[in-house]
Order: sequence, then C-alpha cells, then structure tokens
Amino acid sequence: GQQVMQIPQYQHVQEGEDFTTYCNSSTTLSNIQWYKQRPGGHPVFLIQLVKSGEVKKQKRLTFQFGEAKKNSSLHITATQTTDVGTYFCAKEEGSRLTFGEGTQLTVNP
Amino acid sequence: DAGVTQSPTHLIKTRGQQVTLRCSPKSGHDTVSWYQQALGQGPQFIFQYYEEEERQRGNFPDRFSGHQFPNYSSELNVNALLLGDSALYLCASSLNRAWGYTFGSGTRLTVV
Repeated sequence: GQQVMQIPQYQHVQEGEDFTTYCNSSTTLSNIQWYKQRPGGHPVFLIQLVKSGEVKKQKRLTFQFGEAKKNSSLHITATQTTDVGTYFCAKEEGSRLTFGEGTQLTVNP
Repeated sequence: DAGVTQSPTHLIKTRGQQVTLRCSPKSGHDTVSWYQQALGQGPQFIFQYYEEEERQRGNFPDRFSGHQFPNYSSELNVNALLLGDSALYLCASSLNRAWGYTFGSGTRLTVV
C-alpha cells in the first residue's frame, strides 16, 4: 500500500520548547493512529482520529486530522524529558497498520 | 505491563535455521497481528489472525507463517532464516480497532 510520510525524521529540542510532527498521505485516509515508542521499547497507542478536521487533546499533546483526511499532526506543548521517543503515525487499511518512518524526538534538559 | 506477552525476549539463530516466536494477547483481545521492525524504521505488517484464520497478509514471503490457537495466543514461524530477518518482532492485539492496538515488548531476533 501507499506509504505515509512523516516529517521531520529527527527533532532535537530544549526542555520547555514545543514540538510538532507531521504525517502526510497521497490518498484519503479512513483514520489515522498515533503511537509513541520509547528508546528500547515498543509502540504504545496514543490516539485514533477518524473525522475530517478532528482535533483531540491529551494534556500537553494535541492531535489534528486534516480537512481532506490526507494529513495529520501531533503537537506537544512545553516538552519534558519524558516525551523522548519516536512518534509514529499509522494508517489503517483493512486489518493492517501501515506506519510512517517516525519522528525521533530528543529533549535536552 | 504491556498486557501482551511475547517470548522469548531475545534469540540468536544461524542462517538457514527455523524459529518460532510466541505471543499471548491482552486479556479479552481476540485479534493478533505480527510486525517486523528493523532498526530505525517503523513496524512492517506481517499478518493478522482472527478466529484462528489468517485474515490479512503483508508483503512477506511464505517463509513467514503463523498460527492462532483457540485461546487466541499466536505463533510466528520463520523458516530458512536470512541475515535480513534480524529485527524486532512485535505482536499486537486488539478487540475494538477504535481503541488501537496493544503491542508486546517484542522478540529481538538476531540471525548470524
């Protein structure tokens, strides 16, 4: 299937700065899921977005789904060292998840 | 505690050998998916099992096969191992897809 493109590949921030990762698809998505994988860990489900223009918040994390359902973003306000990890978006096609390459976030204290 | 249990955690095999990886899904979950994650990349879908049947398969050769048991646990078998099969193998389970997938901690397979 078609890939989902994620940018940037890497992001280094100072603690307290904001962070945003973007996910783009050439085709319309039925939904988009976001996962976080800590270094040496496994992916952990964060959220699923389904509706056009949907915005969901989880504490300092804000997730958006584009109006055309072809892109999505994850924004973290005032990063903390606990936010370190790789953030993946994934599109669902039938029973399979197709993951982006991820954005690796490092936070300098 | 991930809720999904995988064994073993690490494994070293020689080229040409066969390997079996095991997964117990989160309690109450009836669907099990397997993913391969190479270093620095996103997980790649291998296949999914539901009601003991392979429901969907990714772009992996027939050397990769699986099974799901009546208690929903699952096995991933890889025959004729290649060096390129070295990766983290992740099992994910789900009940309701709107709630996402729960991943296990994975099995790190090294083929030498």
